[in-house]
Order: sequence, then C-alpha cells, then structure tokens
Amino acid sequence: DARVTQTPRHKVTEMGQEVTMRCQPILGHNTVFWYRQTMMQGLELLAYFRNRAPLDDSGMPKDRFSAEMPDATLATLKIQPSEPRDSAVYFCASGIQAGDSPLHFGNGTRLTVT
Amino acid sequence: GQQVMQIPQYQHVQEGEDFTTYCNSSTTLSNIQWYKQRPGGHPVFLIQLVKSGEVKKQKRLTFQFGEAKKNSSLHITATQTTDVGTYFCAGSGSARQLTFGSGTQLTVLP
Repeated sequence: DARVTQTPRHKVTEMGQEVTMRCQPILGHNTVFWYRQTMMQGLELLAYFRNRAPLDDSGMPKDRFSAEMPDATLATLKIQPSEPRDSAVYFCASGIQAGDSPLHFGNGTRLTVT
Repeated sequence: GQQVMQIPQYQHVQEGEDFTTYCNSSTTLSNIQWYKQRPGGHPVFLIQLVKSGEVKKQKRLTFQFGEAKKNSSLHITATQTTDVGTYFCAGSGSARQLTFGSGTQLTVLP
C-alpha cells in the first residue's frame, strides 16, 4: 500500500533551534502540500507544490519558515529559528491532480518547541 | 479568498443516534471531499462529490452536495464507537486548491 512518509514522527527542541521536517510523497504524485494542525486553528495550509514548483506559500510565515522540493521524492519544511508558538502537528499530503483527486496524508510530525 | 465553514465544531451523541455535519463555502465549488481523522491519526480520504445535487452512500454514511455546489453534508445513521473522530470537508474552487473546513469532532458515548 503506497503511503506518504514523514520524518521525524516526533521532535522536541528548544526555542531558537532549527527544525527540518521531511516528506516522501507517493511515487507518481505531482502535488505536495504542507499543513499545520493545532487545536485552535484546525488544518492550515502552509505550502503547496505542483511538479516541484512552489505555487502557494501564502500561509507560511516567511521570516522563519521555508519549504522546498529538491527532487520529486523529497519535500522539506524548515523552521529557523523555532518558537514555542510553532508547536503543532505538521502534515504532508500528496495527490495526483490538485483539487480534483484525493489527498493522501502522512502520519505527521509532532513538533514541540520549549 | 475561498472560505469553507463547517458546523458544528463538536458533537456528542449516544451510540445508536444519528449525526450530521454541515459544510458551507463562500464560493461555488468544483468538487467537495470529505476526510476522517481518528484521534492521534491523520486525515483519511472518505469520498469526493462532483455533481450538483449528488448523493453518495457508504454503508451508514450519506454524503450530499448541494444544488448550488456551495454546501455539503455528511450524515451518519446509528453511530457506533468506531465513528469517533474529526470529520473534515474540503472544497476545491476555480483555483483547484483544496480549502479545509474547521472540522467537526464527533464523540460517541457507549
């Protein structure tokens, strides 16, 4: 069963440290999304790639967050420097055609910034 | 931009009772998708509705897409404890970008 793989599953770090989250989308999927989930904000879209090109990162705080797809099998989300308010679960999802086909979510990275 | 509102935010039901969650979009949608997230898990795709007025069923779950393609509902008949979780709708508009509703967290009391 093909699935989206995210690493790490859990990350605890101190404020000010750099955090890198990785995602391996399902082979053949050309769209990749990063979502952040908190109790208060639900599922927030942070970034969206199609064919590795960033299409929308308007939901991402630009001063500290960055998202890239160095190749078709890897998407990364970096936070530098991290802050306690970044504590959340970060999900990566991939799909075949944006908006018209189901999204497949990874298990998420639970980030705690102390 | 496109906004998708979902109500209620929380719903507690007794096992065996029915449950409905509603989704409303500020703009006309090309399609709407529904996802279920179990506690501690990740959202899992349930179904996609595309046509105006479309109704689809999955066992005890009934999904509807409004005639104007701006609203949708998910109805669960005779809830079971396995139905516990958060149900999200996600609408796709002209920009072909999914916008998720805030979700309805369902608790089923045995």
